[in-house]
Amino acid sequence: DSGVTQTPKHLITATGQRVTLRCSPRSGDLSVYWYQQSLDQGLQFLIQYYNGEERAKGNILERFSAQQFPDLHSELNLSSLELGDSALYFCASSVAGGGNTEAFFGQGTRLTVV
Amino acid sequence: DQQVKQNSPSLSVQEGRISILNCDYTNSMFDYFLWYKKYPAEGPTFLISISSIKDKNEDGRFTVFLNKSAKHLSLHIVPSQPGDSAVYFCAATTLGDMRFGAGTRLTVKP
Repeated sequence: DSGVTQTPKHLITATGQRVTLRCSPRSGDLSVYWYQQSLDQGLQFLIQYYNGEERAKGNILERFSAQQFPDLHSELNLSSLELGDSALYFCASSVAGGGNTEAFFGQGTRLTVV
Repeated sequence: DQQVKQNSPSLSVQEGRISILNCDYTNSMFDYFLWYKKYPAEGPTFLISISSIKDKNEDGRFTVFLNKSAKHLSLHIVPSQPGDSAVYFCAATTLGDMRFGAGTRLTVKP
């Protein structure tokens, strides 16, 4: 158990809908990262938050947004969903916002868009 | 943009032999490098890391080598065990921006 909790584990929704994925980081971790893993693909970096502020941005679509709340949990919002958004979405957390530290991953949320 | 590349999608080795997984990166700003292991239906788990000021880090059967001039790192597993069969991701980070390679599926045959 990495200490990072993601909910829900599975989500099935229709095209055009909006969903929210939730991540609770490990106790004491200030950074949260979001990644997307499509079928047999690598981990695509979406976005990173550190202590409530956006720190780094990757290949995140404009239809997607995220935030980190004062209690440090994070939410990833996906809107106007398309079939191609079906993927595993991972959240990871780390102590620091900079480098030189490992990130710990949650179990992921499997999103299926039908 | 693929800043971190793992060019071998798969690798098969015999139990007891050495497994060598390779990774290349393009961004010279990366200053910390990590290897993660992933089993199906689980999140990646941290394996080993190396700072850009070092060229080698060892942890038990796992050793990571970094060649900064070539922008190349590798993970050596000696001896390989069937339980090591998994997908291995390399990652590189700078200022919190952590990028992953596409992964290499390692199969260790008994």
